[in-house]
Amino acid sequence: KNQVEQSPQSLIILEGKNCTLQCNYTVSPFSNLRWYKQDTGRGPVSLTIMTFSENTKSNGRYTATLDADTKQSSLHITASQLSDSASYICVGMYNFGNEKLTFGTGTRLTIIP
Amino acid sequence: EAQVTQNPRYLITVTGKKLTVTCSQNMNHEYMSWYRQDPGLGLRQIYYSMNVEVTDKGDVPEGYKVSRKEKRNFPLILESPSPNQTSLYFCASRKPGGTQVYEQYFGPGTRLTVT
Repeated sequence: KNQVEQSPQSLIILEGKNCTLQCNYTVSPFSNLRWYKQDTGRGPVSLTIMTFSENTKSNGRYTATLDADTKQSSLHITASQLSDSASYICVGMYNFGNEKLTFGTGTRLTIIP
Repeated sequence: EAQVTQNPRYLITVTGKKLTVTCSQNMNHEYMSWYRQDPGLGLRQIYYSMNVEVTDKGDVPEGYKVSRKEKRNFPLILESPSPNQTSLYFCASRKPGGTQVYEQYFGPGTRLTVT
């Protein structure tokens, strides 16, 4: 069964600190792994997309890693800002002739001043 | 500006009263889909469309209908809404994949309450 599990469920950190969010995925046949940021009440916005040949990808202060052997991904946020407060969703895409997405339940990140 | 729009953004209705949530994209994307998001659950796909007049069921299609008469529009229809369809709904669009990987764009969401 295709599934994506994220940890922790929620995280609170001080502004300016770094943090790392984790994602374990079981998605087959694997196509790519995505991270989205979702502000409360808004639609998800793409942060990164990684295929199996990419093990690191950055988008500003966001850096995602992918380990295809252990089927794990992480999202590292550097020098957090109040605007980083959001849910971060890990998504696995699989392709068996038709591309489908499997969504994690997200990590709720709160940045406090 | 490239975007996916949804209307209405908020809707409160009663059980059994038919409703339609509209979705439109201006990026000429072939692929469009509808998701629902419930607390503690990841987004779940309701229906998707690979192109005009081509639609198919997602993971949770019961109680919903869709149509794709034009490339830009993909309305979600609830013929007889029930309280268990109270949820946050998202429309999304992207180019079809294959050898290339494309970003998926989400609309702002429609919060539906069925009493």
